[in-house]
Amino acid sequence: DIQMTQSPSSLSASVGDRVIITCRASQSISSFLNWYQQTSGKAPRLLIYAASSLLSGVPSRFSGSGSGTDFTLTIGSLQPEDFATYYCQQSYTVPWTFGLGTKVEI
Amino acid sequence: QVQLQESGPGLVKPSQTLSLICTVSGVSIRGGSYYWSWIRQRPGKGLEWIGYTSDSGTADYNPSLQSRVTISLATSQNQFSLNLTSLTAADTAFYFCAGSGKRMLKHWGQGILVSVTS
Repeated sequence: DIQMTQSPSSLSASVGDRVIITCRASQSISSFLNWYQQTSGKAPRLLIYAASSLLSGVPSRFSGSGSGTDFTLTIGSLQPEDFATYYCQQSYTVPWTFGLGTKVEI
Repeated sequence: QVQLQESGPGLVKPSQTLSLICTVSGVSIRGGSYYWSWIRQRPGKGLEWIGYTSDSGTADYNPSLQSRVTISLATSQNQFSLNLTSLTAADTAFYFCAGSGKRMLKHWGQGILVSVTS
């Protein structure tokens, strides 16, 4: 299985901060990398697919980059509704695997 | 818009089989090159992909669960299902259904908590 390693596992930030979350794959996954946001008690929400494509309706302060093994999710200016846990997921090969998550806290 | 809703028992006994249904609205499960997935999340833990079936009924599973899992389409009701056999306490989790084109999980159900307990 492809292992997905996210860092940091948690971070403290303030409204207006720029936040960067990284995700590293244990082998090359080309650009088959997706990012999800999960708030407490809810289903994950797709934000970014194919490493850098913003899903329609997702605020433009979210952006993704990377290819191969190293990827980043950037939140340009953190908003109150962005405090959540973020997961990366590879869809290069079965079994699809997720990172352990990054919790963004105040 | 596309909506998904899980249904099934919230409590199951060890060694029994879990059967969950995902009801899809807003799109036909047999049209449009969709893939229909199940994902689970143990309380307080990360996400685990269980498997998917394509809109033609071809399935792929996580090898860690492959011997116990079946995902299939019920096209007449626009539903797909998850069967997981030989349950243990380690299968206690939130179970989510999801659908999209291949390579992503765009549309999600709200999730259902399944507890395995005697």
